Amino acid sequence: GQQVMQIPQYQHVQEGEDFTTYCNSSTTLSNIQWYKQRPGGHPVFLIQLVKSGEVKKQKRLTFQFGEAKKNSSLHITATQTTDVGTYFCAGPPRNNDMRFGAGTRLTVKP
Amino acid sequence: DVKVTQSSRYLVKRTGEKVFLECVQDMDHENMFWYRQDPGLGLRLIYFSYDVKMKEKGDIPEGYSVSREKKERFSLILESASTNQTSMYLCASSWETRNEQYFGPGTRLTVT
Repeated sequence: GQQVMQIPQYQHVQEGEDFTTYCNSSTTLSNIQWYKQRPGGHPVFLIQLVKSGEVKKQKRLTFQFGEAKKNSSLHITATQTTDVGTYFCAGPPRNNDMRFGAGTRLTVKP
Repeated sequence: DVKVTQSSRYLVKRTGEKVFLECVQDMDHENMFWYRQDPGLGLRLIYFSYDVKMKEKGDIPEGYSVSREKKERFSLILESASTNQTSMYLCASSWETRNEQYFGPGTRLTVT
């Protein structure tokens, strides 16, 4: 079953509002990765976090990895229509494979 | 740039047919993965391979098999397609199993 849980499943925001998606694992992860899938596209890698408590930024996107390395979040400040898509987190519950969350589908109203 | 290609973007098959989905990557990656993507369920791992002729089951291997005879190619086989295998199938590759994955464009399979 799903070993990496992600919420919410859907999020609809007005352009300019902030957006956050959360990822939780039942086991400690050696790293957490985030991907974005545009409508009709395939998942594209955004970033990887490795260290406990790590925070990384990409323009309006802020990624955090929890202290216990069991949770992570992606925050988008002042969403734009180009942010539309599904955001997935992924982590290796063991050392030899990866598991993806179910994704958060973001829609942005202009 | 890493390129992962899949044999078909769209495929329609009949129940009971044997279906082959092929994936090729051009970056000499050790690891390759097959996922299926369904609304609300995200990406579910079917099988992955960390070396030629090596394979590991993912979360939903039932009804599927895989083949990796060459490093660059990873095939997903539906021995006898069923309607519940109608889905989007995504192939991915990576340098190491815990590293970032590069995805192909996907194959939307419809089984009627």
